[in-house]
Order: sequence, then C-alpha cells, then structure tokens
Amino acid sequence: EAGVAQSPRYKIIEKRQSVAFWCNPISGHATLYWYQQILGQGPKLLIQFQNNGVVDDSQLPKDRFSAERLKGVDSTLKIQPAKLEDSAVYLCASSRGLAVYNEQFFGPGTRLTVL
Amino acid sequence: RKEVEQDPGPFNVPEGATVAFNCTYSNSASQSFFWYRQDCRKEPKLLMSVYSSGNEDGRFTAQLNRASQYISLLIRDSKLSDSATYLCVVNGGSGGSNYKLTFGKGTLLTVNP
Repeated sequence: EAGVAQSPRYKIIEKRQSVAFWCNPISGHATLYWYQQILGQGPKLLIQFQNNGVVDDSQLPKDRFSAERLKGVDSTLKIQPAKLEDSAVYLCASSRGLAVYNEQFFGPGTRLTVL
Repeated sequence: RKEVEQDPGPFNVPEGATVAFNCTYSNSASQSFFWYRQDCRKEPKLLMSVYSSGNEDGRFTAQLNRASQYISLLIRDSKLSDSATYLCVVNGGSGGSNYKLTFGKGTLLTVNP
C-alpha cells in the first residue's frame, strides 16, 4: 500500500512570497490533516478534513494560510504571504476515520525555509 | 499548564538500560492517548496507543493515570535502534474539537553502545 505522498520535499522562498504544498493521502482514507512542525517542537495541527469538509481549523492562521480538499482526496495548503516564522516542516497525514480512533499515517513532509 | 507537557530531555542511556518518559495533559475530557516515535528528519509514526488498564508491546509498556492526567512510557533493555524522539499525543485541546490530536514537544532519547 502506498503511503502519504507530499511535494515538494524542500522549498526556499523569500518573505512575502507565496508557496503551495500538495498532499495525496493513502487511498480510502477519509480524514486528512496538515501539521506544522517547527524545529524542536511537536507537530501542531493546522487543519483537519473529513472527506472534503473541515473538522477543525482553529489553529490555522487564516489571514495567510488556506487549505482545500475539493474532491475529498488530494489537498493543497497555501501560504500567502510567507513570514520568517513560517519556516518549518509541513506534514500531511491521513487516517481511515477520525484519528482519535484510527492510526494516523504521516507523509515525509515539506521543509520550508523563508529567508 | 501546557496542553501536553513532556520531560524535556534529552536522555542518554547505555544499551540494555531501562528508561521512562513522563507526560502530563491539561484537558480532563481527553479520551485517547498515544505515543508516537519520530526519527531524526523523518515523519512521526505510531508506537502504541495507551489504554486505561495499561498495555505492553514487547519491551515497551504504557501507563495512563486519568486522576493525575499523567501518561508514561517505559522502555526496557533499550537498543541502539530505540534512539529517536518520543512524542506524547492526546486528543482535544484548547479551542477546536475533541477530534483533534495535540502533540507534546517530544523527548529525545539516545541509546549509546
């Protein structure tokens, strides 16, 4: 079974530029998550989708971050404009159902550096 | 109180040692508890779920104390391959839904030959 796919793996941009990340979850997984992991910290949930609906986006900085999962499969996360403090690894994860009852599988992440 | 707080570490232990990690959580309504493992520059992976009665998986034992809002992970006979960051994970957190998982900062373990 293929794992969670993410691209790009690395991205370097200047502050105030825009960037987008893509995630393809494990086939059949209804729930998809985007996390931000700053160096030395645990992953922080940004947004959680159940199929194509948002379950939780309470920690998503909505003035600059947006995410969508239009057809309930792939998802994109966008940052516009980027700030220095957005430098982090962005992890996508998926699970069969809600992760409180199901194992979450993480992708390899996208390492973002904002200069 | 932080939502999920772990031993700051790092822990450096010799092969064969027993090591214990502690974690406390602030949301008394939390129902699901996990330990994840994250190797350097890799993604987190589920190590084990934590059940009220405590559970064991080989050399790993997890315990939960709901009254004290405390979770522990014990690793016996540690191996070089156990070197990683161990993340305590609890459902719920400030704002948001109870379906969200909140991760601790993690505790780094290095097992030395």
